[in-house]
Amino acid sequence: DAGVIQSPRHEVTEMGQEVTLRCKPISGHNSLFWYRQTMMRGLELLIYFNNNVPIDDSGMPEDRFSAKMPNASFSTLKIQPSEPRDSAVYFCASSVTRGEQYFGPGTRLTVT
Amino acid sequence: AQSVSQHNHHVILSEAASLELGCNYSYGGTVNLFWYVQYPGQHLQLLLKYFSGDPLVKGIKGFEAEFIKSKFSFNLRKPSVQWSDTAEYFCAVMGANNLFFGTGTRLTVIP
Repeated sequence: DAGVIQSPRHEVTEMGQEVTLRCKPISGHNSLFWYRQTMMRGLELLIYFNNNVPIDDSGMPEDRFSAKMPNASFSTLKIQPSEPRDSAVYFCASSVTRGEQYFGPGTRLTVT
Repeated sequence: AQSVSQHNHHVILSEAASLELGCNYSYGGTVNLFWYVQYPGQHLQLLLKYFSGDPLVKGIKGFEAEFIKSKFSFNLRKPSVQWSDTAEYFCAVMGANNLFFGTGTRLTVIP
């Protein structure tokens, strides 16, 4: 089992650029979660999907952030335009409904 | 509303000392509880979980946790810590379909 796959692992970009983070959940899992982790704010849930449908996006910081899940094996988190305060580690996790979540290795985003 | 409180922000122990990390939760439905560990520079990994049955749950690497319903607690324990247990530990409660995490407890084990 490959686990949750995220790409890229590291991303360095300039302020104002568009950033796209990608996630492939574990096969058979029907729930997918995007988190952001920073020293200041800790671990924050941004959005989660169940059966490819966004269920709760109340954690998305602002309109610059958007997430999609076009099929059961792929999701993206997009930031447009990016700002230095978006610098963080972004984790994707997947689970079966109401099961334990399995986390991906994360994407470390640095916006200069 | 669901919430999780971890009152210990940073715990420092010597090797072989016993560990207990506190976790209190607030949730009105069926309680499913978790402890995750995050080693430096890595992602969160599941240590143990409680869904039902025996309130004393054993996890990986010698960790255990006890669910005490009357105290709304799910404390994590380990009788003898090792330097390799240095990490951040997160308690979480399952909501409708997502996890509510505590703010985490950083454990530093001194050799």
